[in-house]
Amino acid sequence: DTEVTQTPKHLVMGMTNKKSLKCEQHMGHRAMYWYKQKAKKPPELMFVYSYEKLSINESVPSRFSPECPNSSLLNLHLHALQPEDSALYLCASSQSKGRNTEAFFGQGTRLTVV
Amino acid sequence: GQQVMQIPQYQHVQEGEDFTTYCNSSTTLSNIQWYKQRPGGHPVFLIQLVKSGEVKKQKRLTFQFGEAKKNSSLHITATQTTDVGTYFCAGHPTQGGSEKLVFGKGTKLTVNP
Repeated sequence: DTEVTQTPKHLVMGMTNKKSLKCEQHMGHRAMYWYKQKAKKPPELMFVYSYEKLSINESVPSRFSPECPNSSLLNLHLHALQPEDSALYLCASSQSKGRNTEAFFGQGTRLTVV
Repeated sequence: GQQVMQIPQYQHVQEGEDFTTYCNSSTTLSNIQWYKQRPGGHPVFLIQLVKSGEVKKQKRLTFQFGEAKKNSSLHITATQTTDVGTYFCAGHPTQGGSEKLVFGKGTKLTVNP
């Protein structure tokens, strides 16, 4: 199984809502990532987890809250988002957080904030 | 900060023509990776180059990593409609956080049948 599975595929939420994005991988990878991708732009790193511990937070606003319950799961909790947060949210995993490791991306959650 | 430039931003070709995208980093990279993202899809890993001057081939795709490990190119011979998508280069800077993969802005390839 070389897949990274993300749910939901699409999400529309209001600015007062609370929602969560989920990501799962069963490749035994110990590094997991959240990226944000706006249209016609490259993926932009948000968070890195290594061995279930938060390793990097790229100065992401607190309305985005990551969680890594175990080595296979990664969540992104959303609260009080703004319309400009609408984007494709990609989860990725790699064997480790080090260099020379390829990243496997999930299909993404296309988020619209209304 | 670390920047990875990629040109051209867009490329439109006739099917059968060749295509090349170039990637240039402001600092030395420990590796360069290439990803392809189809329209409406997610980035898919193509290849990784690690050694200075390395060249790798995958069927019609040829990847190069520069001698100084600051630039790279992807060349597609005789493009097909299945090659359509955005090609991103990405690299880990030699200095600084090793886990941060820095992406180029991508080259969007369209192929006219």
